[in-house]
Amino acid sequence: DVLMTQTPVSLPVSLGGQVSISCRSSQSLVHSDGNTYLHWYLQKPGQSPQLLIYRVSNRFSGVPDRFSGSGSGTDFTLKISRVEPEDLGVYYCLQSTHFPYTFGAGTKLELK
Amino acid sequence: EVQLQESGPGLVKPSQSLSLTCSVTGYSITSNYWGWIRKFPGNKMEWMGYISYSGSTSYNPSLKSRISITRDTSKNQFFLQLNSVTTEDTATYYCARQWPMYTTDYFDYWGQGVMVTVSS
Repeated sequence: DVLMTQTPVSLPVSLGGQVSISCRSSQSLVHSDGNTYLHWYLQKPGQSPQLLIYRVSNRFSGVPDRFSGSGSGTDFTLKISRVEPEDLGVYYCLQSTHFPYTFGAGTKLELK
Repeated sequence: EVQLQESGPGLVKPSQSLSLTCSVTGYSITSNYWGWIRKFPGNKMEWMGYISYSGSTSYNPSLKSRISITRDTSKNQFFLQLNSVTTEDTATYYCARQWPMYTTDYFDYWGQGVMVTVSS
């Protein structure tokens, strides 16, 4: 299975600040079709995961431009600028390039 | 609007089978891939498997031969059965749709999740 190493585990932030979350895969996530199936989700307390970014850098419908994704190959980053209270929760990366799909362990974004 | 809703017993005894239903409204399950994902206590997430628009299935090898995903297109529902459960199967179970159509890309719509505890 592809191991997704997500760091940090916990990320204290001040409102209005900027943070980055890293996700590294144990093998390249470039699919034979040329796409890279690396996605980012946020799970707020008591809710189901919600899609933020798909295929590395594409913001899902309704996601503010404060969220941005970047990376390639095995190294990916989610950046959140001007953090707002509704951004708090657990962030996950997910790869669907290789079977079985695998998730990162999660990063909990919380207030300092 | 697409909605998914999981249902099923919240408590299952060890060695028994876990059976869950995902009811979909606002979209036909004969399009797209439809998956089951679970979240264990402590945040770990695991993709369990999917059923496709045509009824074909794919499962996480970690679940070996314990898992089965089926569907009833007349009711627009799909189902998860996990056999021989142990306490390690205690988790919140989610169903979700994969998008775009006919691809195994990202999960866009998720159910609210159902917590299942395996305990005697």
